[in-house]
Amino acid sequence: AQSVTQLGSHVSVSEGALVLLRCNYSSSVPPYLFWYVQYPNQGLQLLLKYTTGATLVKGINGFEAEFKKSETSFHLTKPSAHMSDAAEYFCAVTLYSGYSTLTFGKGTMLLVSP
Amino acid sequence: KAGVTQTPRYLIKTRGQQVTLSCSPISGHRSVSWYQQTPGQGLQFLFEYFSETQRNKGNFPGRFSGRQFSNSRSEMNVSTLELGDSALYLCASKADGGETQYFGPGTRLLVL
Repeated sequence: AQSVTQLGSHVSVSEGALVLLRCNYSSSVPPYLFWYVQYPNQGLQLLLKYTTGATLVKGINGFEAEFKKSETSFHLTKPSAHMSDAAEYFCAVTLYSGYSTLTFGKGTMLLVSP
Repeated sequence: KAGVTQTPRYLIKTRGQQVTLSCSPISGHRSVSWYQQTPGQGLQFLFEYFSETQRNKGNFPGRFSGRQFSNSRSEMNVSTLELGDSALYLCASKADGGETQYFGPGTRLLVL
């Protein structure tokens, strides 16, 4: 069975500072990895995904993540935080293309101060 | 293409009642999955339907059920509601063979 651990339920940064949200996974097979963002009273929006190929993936709104198999990590970064980035972020894993069960981490709330 | 839609957006029920939530997937998507989101348990997979058949099921009691229609629209039903069923229920759809699930805005259920 797969699992996801997100370190830090809350992360606070200043506007313009680097954003780093941590995600570690465990999976018995090479995983497919996702980051989703959730704004208040809304559903989940896909930020980026890793399936196969390039291990550094770029997503929307300037976010990127790097798949590191040796560290079983898929950390999310953004060079410069914006106030509009304040939201909850979820890392998720699934086993393979076509398999629909997503296993989510507990989420990290990103707080951005002016 | 229109995104995933869910109705209603908000519901208030009392203990013991039952509730039905509806989800319309992205056009052409035949896979529909349901998730429950609560502050304590986070996001948990309920079940997945594909071509009117339940293909996968999470670890929830039998009070939680669902179905899918020939147009891929899906409904989930919760019978004999309990206070702990208060949650945001999210529906997601996926293209055949694809790996990405696209989520709707959710239905927020409050059980009093």
